[in-house]
Amino acid sequence: GEDVEQSLFLSVREGDSSVINCTYTDSSSTYLYWYKQEPGAGLQLLTYIFSNMDMKQDQRLTVLLNKKDKHLSLRIADTQTGDSAIYFCAESTGVSNFGNEKLTFGTGTRLTIIP
Amino acid sequence: KAGVTQTPRYLIKTRGQQVTLSCSPISGHRSVSWYQQTPGQGLQFLFEYFSETQRNKGNFPGRFSGRQFSNSRSEMNVSTLELGDSALYLCASSLTSSPESQFFGPGTRLTVL
Repeated sequence: GEDVEQSLFLSVREGDSSVINCTYTDSSSTYLYWYKQEPGAGLQLLTYIFSNMDMKQDQRLTVLLNKKDKHLSLRIADTQTGDSAIYFCAESTGVSNFGNEKLTFGTGTRLTIIP
Repeated sequence: KAGVTQTPRYLIKTRGQQVTLSCSPISGHRSVSWYQQTPGQGLQFLFEYFSETQRNKGNFPGRFSGRQFSNSRSEMNVSTLELGDSALYLCASSLTSSPESQFFGPGTRLTVL
């Protein structure tokens, strides 16, 4: 079955690194994603990783995937006030020829930046 | 290029009524997915449409239905509204199967009284 879990809250001082963790249960996941949701807004895709990769870096963002433990993390370097948001991890289990996959989302982690 | 648009942005209904929400995908996108976001259940997949056909369906009762038109615009309908249907309904559109091609709209906030 599909189940994705995250801790609900994280507080980090401005300038420090934030690490948001996620565990999933479906070993057939093909892609794992991180989305950001700011108040009153929809979801913004931050980054994603294919399941055969261990790490992906994109500017301030680093994604680590431990497939054996089914653990995904998102590290945000030099956290800024603009990073305050809810962060969702999500998994998909297939790639169709066209269009969206059914995504299973985690509960979301609310990141608060302390000045 | 305009993003995914959802109308209305906010809606208040009473129990037992029905509601129709609309989603206009990014021009050229043929796939539209719908998600329900609530504080208790988080983000849950409702259904996905491609070329006017429902391809995937989540675990929701039959009161939730949708359709897609030839111009790729999609509507979802909820009949016999319940208090628990109060949620943010998000629509996403995509062009291809690439994760980078999927974009979410701002959502419609439905409140059921």
